Amino acid sequence: VQLVESGGVAVQTGGSLRLSCVVSGFTFDDYAMHWVRQAPGKGLEWVSMISWDGSRVAFADSVEGRFLISRDNRKNSLYLQMDSLRPEDSALYYCARDTSGWYVGEDTPRGLDFWGQGTLVPVSS
Amino acid sequence: DIHMTQSPSSLSASIGDRVTITCRASQTIGRYLNWYQQRPGKAPELLISAAPNLQPWVPSRFSCSGSGTDFTLTIDSLQPEDFATYFCQQSYSPPWTFGQGTKVEI
Repeated sequence: VQLVESGGVAVQTGGSLRLSCVVSGFTFDDYAMHWVRQAPGKGLEWVSMISWDGSRVAFADSVEGRFLISRDNRKNSLYLQMDSLRPEDSALYYCARDTSGWYVGEDTPRGLDFWGQGTLVPVSS
Repeated sequence: DIHMTQSPSSLSASIGDRVTITCRASQTIGRYLNWYQQRPGKAPELLISAAPNLQPWVPSRFSCSGSGTDFTLTIDSLQPEDFATYFCQQSYSPPWTFGQGTKVEI
């Protein structure tokens, strides 16, 4: 299993950026996917998740309305479109695989069992 | 949103010690509680999913107890590779949320 993030570059406040995560080693459309970020020297902050088929998404309050998550199952790829960036969005952004697909009606506890190495997004004021 | 509180924020321990980290949720989350280990400069790794189920690659010196709002991660006989930061996370309802982390230091 491999997850490789890319797209992190320095950006100014108010700018936009699109992160990508390409995966291999598993059947991508069997699993929901997530973005998690970590500011330098700080803890983990969950950002967003998307169901196996892209029909359901969820966001942290801190990014709701500014970030969009999407996926292309034909390309084994996950994306995070980040708009109206703020200095507090500066972080290492990880993509992570869910232990399940986030199916409708599913009532199984889930976690994040595989992670990429992250892509760094510095936002300057 | 469900708020997760870990304690302590950091602790010092020696090889062979038993270490306990607690995690409290601001509302009941059943067994929807995960634990992650993060070594310096590395991505987090899932230790325990749907408390108290250990991932297959996790040594048996790690264990977890609790349900509802209060959970405990225990490491029996601390080993050199266990010095890391540990995070709890709830997956009961979005937005998923992490605890602030507990750094286990020598």
